[in-house]
Amino acid sequence: QSVLTQPPSVSGAPGQRVTISCTGSTSNIGGGYDVHWYQQFPGTAPKLLIHGNSYRPSGVPDRFSGSKSGTSASLAITGLQADDEAYYYCQSYDHSLSVVFGGGTKLTVL
Amino acid sequence: QVQLQESGPGQVKPSQTLSLTCSVSGGFIRSGGYHWSWIRQHPGKGLEWVGYISYSGSTYYNPSLTSRLTISVDTSKNQFSLRLSSVTAADTAVYYCARRPSYSYYFDQWGQGTLVSVSS
Repeated sequence: QSVLTQPPSVSGAPGQRVTISCTGSTSNIGGGYDVHWYQQFPGTAPKLLIHGNSYRPSGVPDRFSGSKSGTSASLAITGLQADDEAYYYCQSYDHSLSVVFGGGTKLTVL
Repeated sequence: QVQLQESGPGQVKPSQTLSLTCSVSGGFIRSGGYHWSWIRQHPGKGLEWVGYISYSGSTYYNPSLTSRLTISVDTSKNQFSLRLSSVTAADTAVYYCARRPSYSYYFDQWGQGTLVSVSS
């Protein structure tokens, strides 16, 4: 089991809004550590999507947004597009384990 | 734009040592400001942080791997390396090298990854 818990899968129709949750504990997300998000297409390396809970690197569309509250964080994708279909991973820091990742969520665009 | 590229054997025998190198281009490791990292992904699974090293050689390892792991840096070659000893089939994975800004814990640049299979 991953230290950070994500739903295995989410889905949505084109144009819709979907959210992916990431639940941790007081030793990581709830301890004040930032949450970061990555997008990964099969057979390729992960790409940084959101850092510092809500900051988008240059080139990432503003359809992607992140938030954090308490021991959880969320990634929201609005205006869903077919090429958003990918795996999404959250990541944070744990004061006992150092860098930790979520188990990943597969986004299916219906 | 910095680029990272992993290299090393694609197959290692059980009980032997897995060795990989990450070559950095478009920037210099010795410039500082970053930690240079290894992350792996078991087939069909999620991401697992392996460890990272600063330009000065300070290392930080995943507690579950620390007894078998060595990460080193060669600033003259602009490379950093991973050595994982006593490998088993459980070490079969795609190994990525990545860059981590020292002020935070995210990974902003990744190599393409290299698959290492542990089998006899």
